[in-house]
Amino acid sequence: NAGVTQTPKFQVLKTGQSMTLQCAQDMNHEYMSWYRQDPGMGLRLIHYSVGAGITDQGEVPNGYNVSRSTTEDFPLRLLSAAPSQTSVYFCASRRGTTYEQYFGPGTRLTVT
Amino acid sequence: TQLLEQSPQFLSIQEGENLTVYCNSSSVFSSLQWYRQEPGEGPVLLVTVVTGGEVKKLKRLTFQFGDARKDSSLHITAAQPGDTGLYLCAGEANPGTYKYIFGTGTRLKVLA
Repeated sequence: NAGVTQTPKFQVLKTGQSMTLQCAQDMNHEYMSWYRQDPGMGLRLIHYSVGAGITDQGEVPNGYNVSRSTTEDFPLRLLSAAPSQTSVYFCASRRGTTYEQYFGPGTRLTVT
Repeated sequence: TQLLEQSPQFLSIQEGENLTVYCNSSSVFSSLQWYRQEPGEGPVLLVTVVTGGEVKKLKRLTFQFGDARKDSSLHITAAQPGDTGLYLCAGEANPGTYKYIFGTGTRLKVLA
C-alpha cells in the first residue's frame, strides 16, 4: 500500500516548455486534487476531481490542465511553463464518505 | 473569496511551554482540518472538526471549532521538539464539494 505517489520529485523547466506531473493513489479514493504551495501562501487548490471523468477548477487553475480517466491516476499538465509556476506541487486524495485526506510527497518545480 | 488567517505566523518556544495557534475566517465552514507538515514532505492530517463548539484531543494537542464554525484553535500542552513543524488549517465550505481553503500556516519551532 503505497498511498499517494508523485513523480518526479524535482523538475527544472525552461519557460515555454510543457510537462506532466504524475499522481497516483492505490486506496481506491474517489476524490483527488492538486495544490501548489508557495512561501507564505499556504496551499492553493489548482484542480480537483470527485471521480473518474469528472474534474473541476479550484482557486488557481490558469495554465494547468487535468484529466481523470481512471480512479487511480490524476495527472497535472503544464501547457507552457512560466516562472510564476515555480512552486511545490502536492497531490491529495480522499474517500468521498470520510474526511481523511492524504497528501503525496510533492514535486518541486523550478521554471527558469 | 474565502480566507483563513492563521496566527501567529512564526512561533519559537522552549520545550515544556504551552502554545495556541489560531485559525480565523469571516466565512462559515462545514468542516475544518488541522495538518502538520515537515520540510520536504506533504501535510499530514491531525484532526477534522465538524460541529460548532466541538473539542477534540490528540495526546497533548487540543483542537476546538468555534460555535459559529468560522474559527478554530490548536493548543499544545508541554511542547516537545518533535512538535516542530508547519501547522496548517484547512476548511471545506460546503460538505462534499472537496474544495478546501488552506490557511497560510504557523511555523513552530520547539527548542530543547
